[in-house]
Amino acid sequence: QLQLQESGPGLVKPSETLSLTCPVSGASISSSSYYWGWIRQPPGKGLEWIGSIHYSGSTYYNPSLNSRVTISVDTSKNQFSLKLSSVTAADTAVYYCARHKVQTNWFDPWGQGTLVTVSS
Amino acid sequence: NFMLTQPHSVSESPGKTVTISCTRSSGSIASNYVQWYQQRPGSAPTTVMYEDSQRPSGVPDRFSASIGSSSNSASLTISGLKTEDEADYYCQSYDSSNRGVFGGGTKLTVL
Repeated sequence: QLQLQESGPGLVKPSETLSLTCPVSGASISSSSYYWGWIRQPPGKGLEWIGSIHYSGSTYYNPSLNSRVTISVDTSKNQFSLKLSSVTAADTAVYYCARHKVQTNWFDPWGQGTLVTVSS
Repeated sequence: NFMLTQPHSVSESPGKTVTISCTRSSGSIASNYVQWYQQRPGSAPTTVMYEDSQRPSGVPDRFSASIGSSSNSASLTISGLKTEDEADYYCQSYDSSNRGVFGGGTKLTVL
């Protein structure tokens, strides 16, 4: 059964870089049929797509975050990662990783999510 | 890019039927598949409908979805409402550059 699990620091200081990793178990990340994406949800608010990566290295980013986001993939470790630079309190959110189909962009499954708080 | 607009909240009684809309601001709703996710408090979203009208295994057939070209919107319908259906529901699609777009979410109250 495919499982994703976000990992990384729960507290990041303003202006620093948020870094999260999503190890994938139960399936190979090197599938041509899927992207691997990051979504976030500020407390009490809705979902926001951050960006996605294909195992080939192709990336797609939310234009509103494009200049601060880097998503990478490590096929040898079967995991992908998120870096968000110059964070502010507005970046405080639950961050989810998820798999999604190339042709239809259906996000499934999702990781359980991890809360990242930006505070000094 | 486009936006997906959902009602902020809907409420209905157990046993009744409720429909949640998701309206695309520009471009055709039929151009790209629409998914629907359910999110209960403190949990990650899970799929209730995908690729416009497909239901994952394990989701009861009380859940259905459709696309309306005339209204340029997608709709999620839940019949025979149960208290366990109370949750937030999000529609999701994507643009021609494969960038994901989520609706703002609808809080369903079953009272």
